Amino acid sequence: EAGVTQFPSHSVIEKGQTVTLRCDPISGHDNLYWYRRVMGKEIKFLLHFVKESKQDESGMPNNRFLAERTGGTYSTLKVQPAELEDSGVYFCASSPGTTQYFGPGTRLTVL
Amino acid sequence: GENVEQHPSTLSVQEGDSAVIKCTYSDSASNYFPWYKQELGKRPQLIIDIRSNVGEKKDQRIAVTLNKTAKHFSLHITETQPEDSAVYFCAAEGRGSNYKLTFGKGTLLTVNP
Repeated sequence: EAGVTQFPSHSVIEKGQTVTLRCDPISGHDNLYWYRRVMGKEIKFLLHFVKESKQDESGMPNNRFLAERTGGTYSTLKVQPAELEDSGVYFCASSPGTTQYFGPGTRLTVL
Repeated sequence: GENVEQHPSTLSVQEGDSAVIKCTYSDSASNYFPWYKQELGKRPQLIIDIRSNVGEKKDQRIAVTLNKTAKHFSLHITETQPEDSAVYFCAAEGRGSNYKLTFGKGTLLTVNP
């Protein structure tokens, strides 16, 4: 079974630019989550999709972040415009229920 | 909301020794507690989990204990090996939270040969 995949693995952009991260969950998993780990800190929840619907977006930092999951398959997370404090590793996870399976993450560096 | 504290932040042991990582949580309604292992440059991998109706769970050299009254849970690794070296994260999921996980800050475990 293929695991959760994320693209790109690394992204380096300048402050003010836009970046879009992509997550492909495990096939058949209705639940998709985005998390972020800022250097040295805990992995923090951003939002949760059930199929194409946003179930919980309480962790989204501000309106510069926009997540979508059209058709209930893959998801994108767009940051526009990026700020220095957005740097970190963005993880996606998917699950059929309780157990969450993580992707390898996208390391975002904002200069 | 839920808050998870994890200690220690770093742990260094000799190969063959045991390692213990402890976490506390704040929300008494939390009922699911997974542990993830993240090797350098790799994805977090679930290694063991426990639910609130169980006090202890073992899987070979790994065990997790849960004390609901005290709101803490611990990861125990026995007979450590160099390949156990990684960052370990504990997490808690609250009842009714739609499976949202709250993580601890992680423990960097180093097993010295």
